[in-house]
Amino acid sequence: EAGVAQSPRYKIIEKRQSVAFWCNPISGHATLYWYQQILGQGPKLLIQFQNNGVVDDSQLPKDRFSAERLKGVDSTLKIQPAKLEDSAVYLCASSGTPGAKNIQYFGAGTRLSVL
Amino acid sequence: AQKVTQAQTEISVVEKEDVTLDCVYETRDTTYYLFWYKQPPSGELVFLIRRNSFDEQNEISGRYSWNFQKSTSSFNFTITASQVVDSAVYFCALTDMYSGGGADGLTFGKGTHLIIQP
Repeated sequence: EAGVAQSPRYKIIEKRQSVAFWCNPISGHATLYWYQQILGQGPKLLIQFQNNGVVDDSQLPKDRFSAERLKGVDSTLKIQPAKLEDSAVYLCASSGTPGAKNIQYFGAGTRLSVL
Repeated sequence: AQKVTQAQTEISVVEKEDVTLDCVYETRDTTYYLFWYKQPPSGELVFLIRRNSFDEQNEISGRYSWNFQKSTSSFNFTITASQVVDSAVYFCALTDMYSGGGADGLTFGKGTHLIIQP
């Protein structure tokens, strides 16, 4: 079974530029999460989708971050404009395996450097 | 609010030693799940175990074992006869079992960097 796919793996941008990250969850998983992991910290939830609806975006900085999951499968996370403090690894996870519905499986992440 | 504390930032042991990673959590919920994940240098978080708040039985899986104690709000992880391949950052995490609307994002600790020296 294929895991969670993310792209790109690395991205370097200047501050005030825009950037987008893509995630394809495990096939059949209804729930998708985006986390931000700053160096030396644990991941922090940004947003959770159930199919194509938002379940929790309480920690998403909505003035600059946006995310969508239009067809209930792939998802895109965007930052516009980026700030220096947005440098982090952005992790996508999905859940929904029968019998283990809240076990989250993670992708390899996108490492963002904002200069 | 939920909180997970992993007080050990870094642990270094010699191969074949036993090592315990500590995890202390805070939650107002009476029903919750606890998790451990491994993050090797490649960056991908690998699921190790999930435990619900109803089940305080300890669990053993090969060289790995977990000790859950509700009385002290702890969920510690022990690796027996450590190997170099165990070197990674290990995260403890928590989520509510019955949150409103299905929100079950994980609250993570800061992680413990485990170094196994040959």
